[in-house]
Amino acid sequence: KNQVEQSPQSLIILEGKNCTLQCNYTVSPFSNLRWYKQDTGRGPVSLTIMTFSENTKSNGRYTATLDADTKQSSLHITASQLSDSASYICVVSDFYNQGGKLIFGQGTELSVKP
Amino acid sequence: DTGVSQDPRHKITKRGQNVTFRCDPISEHNRLYWYRQTLGQGPEFLTYFQNEAQLEKSRLLSDRFSAERPKGSFSTLEIQRTEQGDSAMYLCASSSAGTSYEQYFGPGTRLTVT
Repeated sequence: KNQVEQSPQSLIILEGKNCTLQCNYTVSPFSNLRWYKQDTGRGPVSLTIMTFSENTKSNGRYTATLDADTKQSSLHITASQLSDSASYICVVSDFYNQGGKLIFGQGTELSVKP
Repeated sequence: DTGVSQDPRHKITKRGQNVTFRCDPISEHNRLYWYRQTLGQGPEFLTYFQNEAQLEKSRLLSDRFSAERPKGSFSTLEIQRTEQGDSAMYLCASSSAGTSYEQYFGPGTRLTVT
């Protein structure tokens, strides 16, 4: 069964600190991996999207890495801000559903405290 | 219009009633997706359309659920004989056929079945 697992489930950090969120997936054959940010009560917003040939991609203070061999990804947030408080969701699509169904992880709830 | 819109944003209904949600995608996008998200979980795929054709339906989409996209523009999701287990956030997303298949999400419709 294709699955996406994220850790930790929740995380509290102080403003200005860095943090790293983890994602493991079993989706095969793999097509691409995305990280989304979802504020409470809102729809997810895309941060990065990586294909199997990419191993790192940055978007401002967000840097995602991908190891397609071990089927692991991470999202690193640098110099956190209060507005980074949100759920961060790892999303994978398989080769046969590149334009269709996405498989979502359960999310990591990040809380940035002053 | 710069994003995906959904209407209503919130809906409270009594068990057994029918409800209908609307999604207006980004105007040039030919693909439209429906997802369901329960509290503390990532979104789960329900169905998607390319233009007016419904290309895939999840097993989650029981016979009480029906989705349409009659003219390949807006879409409706109807739930008949609602049950308390239907309480969730219903998210709509759209994309254009392209190499990244980036999906842009709407704000969601929060359904509460009492």
